[in-house]
Amino acid sequence: NAGVMQNPRHLVRRRGQEARLRCSPMKGHSHVYWYRQLPEEGLKFMVYLQKENIIDESGMPKERFSAEFPKEGPSILRIQQVVRGDSAAYFCASSLGTGTNDYFGPGTRLTVT
Amino acid sequence: QKEVEQDPGPLSVPEGAIVSLNCTYSNSAFQYFMWYRQYSRKGPELLMYTYSSGNKEDGRFTAQVDKSSKYISLFIRDSQPSDSATYLCAMRADTGGFKTIFGAGTRLFVKA
Repeated sequence: NAGVMQNPRHLVRRRGQEARLRCSPMKGHSHVYWYRQLPEEGLKFMVYLQKENIIDESGMPKERFSAEFPKEGPSILRIQQVVRGDSAAYFCASSLGTGTNDYFGPGTRLTVT
Repeated sequence: QKEVEQDPGPLSVPEGAIVSLNCTYSNSAFQYFMWYRQYSRKGPELLMYTYSSGNKEDGRFTAQVDKSSKYISLFIRDSQPSDSATYLCAMRADTGGFKTIFGAGTRLFVKA
């Protein structure tokens, strides 16, 4: 049973470009969470999605950031017009449901030049 | 004030020592308490998961939750160099979106 998959593992973008980060949850998991981790800091919650629905996006900036979890395919975190401050590691986690264990992917390290 | 406070360390101990890691929190609605281990440039790995107050033991790891003091602990017995990592506490409420709040993480070094 494969774990949570994230790709790409490393992504370099120039300022103003778009970044698309993908997360495939564990088999059978319908809950996906996205987190951002800056160097020497803990994980900061961004958004919680279930299939085709955004449940809680309170941690996601209103501008430039969006997330989706379609009926088929991976969850996508999209950052438009990236700036240097977006450079971070982005992790997704999946779970069977609320109140159950979260399993994290290996992360995508975004570098904005 | 942060919702979850965790000393970032680093904490350096000799092999075989007992390690104590701690977090305090301010939100009395938190009911789920977790400890994650994160190796450098990897994703967090769930170590311990506790609901409400009490103790939980798994091998060399013991998690304690004291809700009256808003204080949680992770103890590692007979520490090994392979335990060297960053340990993140995390917690979540029953309601309010179910988002998990993480501490900043404590870096642990176990010297052989």
